[in-house]
Amino acid sequence: KAGVTQTPRYLIKTRGQQVTLSCSPISGHRSVSWYQQTPGQGLQFLFEYFSETQRNKGNFPGRFSGRQFSNSRSEMNVSTLELGDSALYLCASSLLANEQFFGPGTRLTVL
Amino acid sequence: GEDVEQSLFLSVREGDSSVINCTYTDSSSTYLYWYKQEPGAGLQLLTYIFSNMDMKQDQRLTVLLNKKDKHLSLRIADTQTGDSAIYFCAEIGGQAGTALIFGKGTTLSVSS
Repeated sequence: KAGVTQTPRYLIKTRGQQVTLSCSPISGHRSVSWYQQTPGQGLQFLFEYFSETQRNKGNFPGRFSGRQFSNSRSEMNVSTLELGDSALYLCASSLLANEQFFGPGTRLTVL
Repeated sequence: GEDVEQSLFLSVREGDSSVINCTYTDSSSTYLYWYKQEPGAGLQLLTYIFSNMDMKQDQRLTVLLNKKDKHLSLRIADTQTGDSAIYFCAEIGGQAGTALIFGKGTTLSVSS
């Protein structure tokens, strides 16, 4: 089975712009979660989608949003980018809540 | 709230055993995990343990859970240079529901 794929792998944006990241889960997995990884804050949970509905949300501002499509693919969007949004954004998919498998991540740099 | 703590660095020689420790605060966590991250890569799920278990062994990996002290450890037998990476402890199922709560990670350095 193919693993979790994330596109693009690298992205450079400037402050004030918006960005959309994409995640394709493992075939058959209906839950997709997003995490932000930074050197200072470590790994932090953004949100989780299951069957096109947001099931759980972390403590991030409303500039961070996401959605899930009927084929379980998910996108996350960050509007009005700030320098502090520079991070590795990781997506994880799961069939059962107790096993989350991660993709390689999208490295976002905000200049 | 939930918190997971780990020591930041561990250095061992090839062939030795490595033990990485973690403490967590949420006693209602149902599963506890160990993930591995190599440079420039995502997270690889190494192993996990259900909260009502004390120990789980998977080839070179042994996970020990002391629920009373909220202490989790990962032992890697016969550590190899390829085991050099950052190891994250994580919990799920407590107050944060389906979200994984991670520690800051332990950097394991293996010298030959």
